[in-house]
Amino acid sequence: SQQGEEDPQALSIQEGENATMNCSYKTSINNLQWYRQNSGRGLVHLILIRSNEREKHSGRLRVTLDTSKKSSSLLITASRAADTASYFCATEINRDDKIIFGKGTRLHILP
Amino acid sequence: DAGITQSPRYKITETGRQVTLMCHQTWSHSYMFWYRQDLGHGLRLIYYSAAADITDKGEVPDGYVVSRSKTENFPLTLESATRSQTSVYFCASRLGPTLAYEQYFGPGTRLTVT
Repeated sequence: SQQGEEDPQALSIQEGENATMNCSYKTSINNLQWYRQNSGRGLVHLILIRSNEREKHSGRLRVTLDTSKKSSSLLITASRAADTASYFCATEINRDDKIIFGKGTRLHILP
Repeated sequence: DAGITQSPRYKITETGRQVTLMCHQTWSHSYMFWYRQDLGHGLRLIYYSAAADITDKGEVPDGYVVSRSKTENFPLTLESATRSQTSVYFCASRLGPTLAYEQYFGPGTRLTVT
């Protein structure tokens, strides 16, 4: 069973708009990460948020974490064509070494 | 070149054949991982290794074998390939334990089993 589940599965927005995607997980965590995957490529790390953090920023990215709801959201502001990609959240299983990825959100930025 | 590399990048093989996918990293990261990515399933962990000579199963280990005699290499072997193993395989490495550390991914190997 998946530990992290992204929502929505797919999202299309106009260039310049903000994109929000969500991740829900089942068991308590210490850390959560978001990754981006461009078509045909490996995943690239975007941002790490720890369980004692509620919000984190990196450039046009804003990540929030609500441990009481076991959920995280990734906001991309002022979207660009280059943001077209799949986005995955990664969580730990039982706080051990294994990292489990969700199925991802496919983001398409329309010109 | 520094980083994490996979070979081959593309492979076509027949059912029943043995296939080995190679993964090499130059950072001396302790942890290495193998994932497969299939439409509708996202990334699923096959095997991982916390150090040389230490390996453990992930979510979908059946039909796969790994070894790690050297820190920098983590080959994945399909002992008798099946069509259900047609997938894109990603290797990843990480400096330390848990999600406190970023994972670095290779470019992937696209495997087709006919």
